[in-house]
Amino acid sequence: NAGVTQTPKFRVLKTGQSMTLLCAQDMNHEYMYWYRQDPGMGLRLIHYSVGEGTTAKGEVPDGYNVSRLKKQNFLLGLESAAPSQTSVYFCASSYPFEPGQGNLALDTGELFFGEGSRLTVL
Amino acid sequence: GENVEQHPSTLSVQEGDSAVIKCTYSDSASNYFPWYKQELGKRPQLIIDIRSNVGEKKDQRIAVTLNKTAKHFSLHITETQPEDSAVYFCAAAGDADGLTFGKGTHLIIQP
Repeated sequence: NAGVTQTPKFRVLKTGQSMTLLCAQDMNHEYMYWYRQDPGMGLRLIHYSVGEGTTAKGEVPDGYNVSRLKKQNFLLGLESAAPSQTSVYFCASSYPFEPGQGNLALDTGELFFGEGSRLTVL
Repeated sequence: GENVEQHPSTLSVQEGDSAVIKCTYSDSASNYFPWYKQELGKRPQLIIDIRSNVGEKKDQRIAVTLNKTAKHFSLHITETQPEDSAVYFCAAAGDADGLTFGKGTHLIIQP
């Protein structure tokens, strides 16, 4: 049981290049998320998905696209990388938050994070 | 959308003393308030959470209190230890469509 796995863990890009970050989870979670973490800014939601084939915008979606073709995978794409996208990217997954299900993970809606991907855009 | 303010941004306490981190939120519909701990170079991990039908929750040296009327919640760590040194994030959610996080508090435990 690997939990949430992100690839790659490190990447350096030049301005204008494109790339895709892959997130995979083996916990059968319905919900998946992409956050970016910048110093002093906390964790900001980029895009999220509440199930296979669905995606939605978060707080800072511009410059990113996502896809959820399979329940266990959530891809984050940068079509034309910019220096402002230099950041640490975290993928997370969770069960839906539904109180009273009698299952701790379902009740709490705990986010399970990947190890992070450090992206530098020059 | 939800807006979460977290204070202080840095907190330094002597080992063995207590630490308190405070957060306020804007959306009165929010009903779930978790706290995450992130050690240097590691992923955030849930340490405690509280729902809006509860005023206080405790887990050993960690407690969280919630005041729904004032829209604020706090993390209390007693008898602090060196391994408590980390960045702590509060968050709020009205439903399962993603948490809104505070900007984080860097907790430093002085020996």
